Amino acid sequence: IAGITQAPTSQILAAGRRMTLRCTQDMRHNAMYWYRQDLGLGLRLIHYSNTAGTTGKGEVPDGYSVSRANTDDFPLTLASAVPSQTSVYFCASSETTGSNSPLHFGNGTRLTVT
Amino acid sequence: GQNIDQPTEMTATEGAIVQINCTYQTSGFNGLFWYQQHAGEAPTFLSYNVLDGLEEKGRFSSFLSRSKGYSYLLLKELQMKDSASYLCAVIDSNYQLIWGAGTKLIIKP
Repeated sequence: IAGITQAPTSQILAAGRRMTLRCTQDMRHNAMYWYRQDLGLGLRLIHYSNTAGTTGKGEVPDGYSVSRANTDDFPLTLASAVPSQTSVYFCASSETTGSNSPLHFGNGTRLTVT
Repeated sequence: GQNIDQPTEMTATEGAIVQINCTYQTSGFNGLFWYQQHAGEAPTFLSYNVLDGLEEKGRFSSFLSRSKGYSYLLLKELQMKDSASYLCAVIDSNYQLIWGAGTKLIIKP
């Protein structure tokens, strides 16, 4: 079934540790995104990629990095986790950026930083 | 700043109709999305409006008034499975997607 796969589903991480959240899509979408979702707040964009080989910063990029080596994969790395990064992380993709093409979301990664 | 307002929570009865409002103040406008998100799951696309008026899709309809910075999602013949959060998102002049915090809809029998 075509879609977006995120791994892990959930993770408990000690503060200061490095962690990579994985995201893979098989829809050949050009654009990919990483969001975090916290209670009472809208989805907040961390980083995005308009096409393979390019990335950009979103609303809350500090403490996170991404890479887009190919069309399908868009991993998100926390270099040194802090408790404020406890959140649900969603990876998403769309055919193109900034148009009426809707976002398709992965099932999310629930991350707890202790 | 950019702002999208939605009610935090609404309650409705199975079989009834409910209207979820979304007002926005953004730097420009290039379209508006509605998404549904069940608890613990990913958001899923419901509708897209870019022109004024009503878009109907089965039991769900979405309305847009660009001059008023206003949209609503209308859900008819409510079912228990419609219990979810409904997210409004606006594409601004820079083609960035601005998200509301979502409206949690509770359906009672």
